[in-house]
Amino acid sequence: AQSVTQPDIHITVSEGASLELRCNYSYGATPYLFWYVQSPGQGLQLLLKYFSGDTLVQGIKGFEAEFKRSQSSFNLRKPSVHWSDAAEYFCAVGAHSNYQLIWGAGTKLIIKP
Amino acid sequence: GAVVSQHPSWVICKSGTSVKIECRSLDFQATTMFWYRQFPKQSLMLMATSNEGSKATYEQGVEKDKFLINHASLTLSTLTVTSAHPEDSSFYICSARTLERYNEQFFGPGTRLTVL
Repeated sequence: AQSVTQPDIHITVSEGASLELRCNYSYGATPYLFWYVQSPGQGLQLLLKYFSGDTLVQGIKGFEAEFKRSQSSFNLRKPSVHWSDAAEYFCAVGAHSNYQLIWGAGTKLIIKP
Repeated sequence: GAVVSQHPSWVICKSGTSVKIECRSLDFQATTMFWYRQFPKQSLMLMATSNEGSKATYEQGVEKDKFLINHASLTLSTLTVTSAHPEDSSFYICSARTLERYNEQFFGPGTRLTVL
């Protein structure tokens, strides 16, 4: 069955520290992969996406993610977080058949001053 | 580009009334629109997929007579919550897709519905 797992419900990071949010997926083929961010009460903003090609993807706001086929992972990273990065982060897989998105449960990022 | 708007951004209504939420693609033609529901501190739940000019396809467990979806044009889809009850209170999010970028969805800002 197709699924997306974000193992961490919430993560607390000090401002200026590095960040890695984990995402693992189960999918029969090479998936389309996405990371979205949702600030409190706000809609979803696309951070980055992977369709094919270079497995290290650069996104907005200084985020990057690496697709690792052998580990079925697409972890999101940022070298130095800012207080404004506090939000909910969702990983999603796009199905090839109908392009619907399969969502992870989300990881809440908390920034310590 | 690829901007999606929703209106209203929030609405409060009395139990038993109906509420209509609009989703518009502002700068592109949306051949497909999706409606999601998000419960507090949870992920998005796909409610239905609608293609312009066709009936919406509802996900299992979603009452189509309760959540009426209309996608009458390439830039507008509406979700009507009929006879709303407090348990329908939620954050409703729409997204849109084009033929040219069929493997991406562009999201609206969401509508917060509170039913008293």
